[in-house]
Amino acid sequence: DAKTTQPPSMDCAEGRAANLPCNHSTISGNEYVYWYRQIHSQGPQYIIHGLKNNETNEMASLIITEDRKSSTLILPHATLRDTAVYYCIVRVDVSNFGNEKLTFGTGTRLTIIP
Amino acid sequence: DSGVTQTPKHLITATGQRVTLRCSPRSGDLSVYWYQQSLDQGLQFLIQYYNGEERAKGNILERFSAQQFPDLHSELNLSSLELGDSALYFCASSGEGASPLHFGNGTRLTVT
Repeated sequence: DAKTTQPPSMDCAEGRAANLPCNHSTISGNEYVYWYRQIHSQGPQYIIHGLKNNETNEMASLIITEDRKSSTLILPHATLRDTAVYYCIVRVDVSNFGNEKLTFGTGTRLTIIP
Repeated sequence: DSGVTQTPKHLITATGQRVTLRCSPRSGDLSVYWYQQSLDQGLQFLIQYYNGEERAKGNILERFSAQQFPDLHSELNLSSLELGDSALYFCASSGEGASPLHFGNGTRLTVT
């Protein structure tokens, strides 16, 4: 699996958009980008994933550059409850006999400031 | 609620003992994954099952074993426990292809 690079920490003011960058310059054509977050010691929470098109759901937006070497997760209106560690993970789609595991890095610790 | 259920939520036991952690995947998911997270450490992949068969193995100790049953629930067995085995153990499940993993809330194991 391709590796990702994320800043270790970021702050964002409450109510503003939080933009979390991720670099995955060695991503392959059949690898998806996934974003998860972990709040304190809870189980990782799935946020969003995409292959090459931008994606949006009720939680966030995912912007993937045209060359797919980097992406940005956008939380449009950050709240205090968005304080968490955010993980950007690339994962291949094998589509046979079950799919691939996720390999977690160290992520970005996002702190929302009141 | 992710739909993945893990029991028990907390487990306290002594060194040398054996414990079993249980995971019920989301309805319809055939893949089950186990992860370990020690205090202030990252999430380490242990093992994956797909429809009852072992699919992938990570940094799982020989003292640990797992299985997935015909009803697709999974159990992680930890034996000859050591103090260093104290950690959060997470189970996740997923569907096919690019389907994301969905994680349970974990079992917190404390070995004294």
